[in-house]
Amino acid sequence: GQQVQQSPASLVLQEGENAELQCNFSTSLNSMQWFYQRPGGSLVSLFYNPSGTKHSGRLTSTTVIKERRSSLHISSSQTTDSGTYLCALEEVGDNSKLIWGLGTSLVVNP
Amino acid sequence: DPKIIQKPKYLVAVTGSEKILICEQYLGHNAMYWYRQSAKKPLEFMFSYSYQKLMDNQTASSRFQPQSSKKNHLDLQITALKPDDSATYFCASSQPRGQNTLYFGAGTRLSVL
Repeated sequence: GQQVQQSPASLVLQEGENAELQCNFSTSLNSMQWFYQRPGGSLVSLFYNPSGTKHSGRLTSTTVIKERRSSLHISSSQTTDSGTYLCALEEVGDNSKLIWGLGTSLVVNP
Repeated sequence: DPKIIQKPKYLVAVTGSEKILICEQYLGHNAMYWYRQSAKKPLEFMFSYSYQKLMDNQTASSRFQPQSSKKNHLDLQITALKPDDSATYFCASSQPRGQNTLYFGAGTRLSVL
């Protein structure tokens, strides 16, 4: 089965609402990364977060290794947050590649 | 300015032909990668190079051949193209050890007719 599962698959918000995106994984983790994929396709790294909580502006990432999950919290959403959010993990013992989820497609309406 | 340049941005090819996807990075990284993104599928790791040497190859088909002529170049040659090869191909780079956050190019969208 798929090693990285993201939920929800899609989400629609009104501007100003908060969002919680989940990433669950079934394998031992060396690191977890969150990416934002623009509607045009390019990918931007948001967080490198192997464990614990990290903050960047309105974004917060929390990884709990023993529970095999990572989350991305978006507060006070803006229309420019629309796009796809992807999580990717690096397995223990294999730092040459990332294993990806299918992503959460977020639409923020004005 | 984009630090990882992929060329071309869009590519249309006929079945059976051969194409080369270009990637150059100006981040000073020593590790480079190719990933493929097809519709309805997760991003798929293809190759990783470190210091111009192949580290990992998860691509079953030999029709896909990475080529590294310089430290900051990793091109992807695809031969005998098939319609199933249609996808967006992303080049990425990172430092090979430590917190290896991945940086991506804008991708080459390949359509095989």
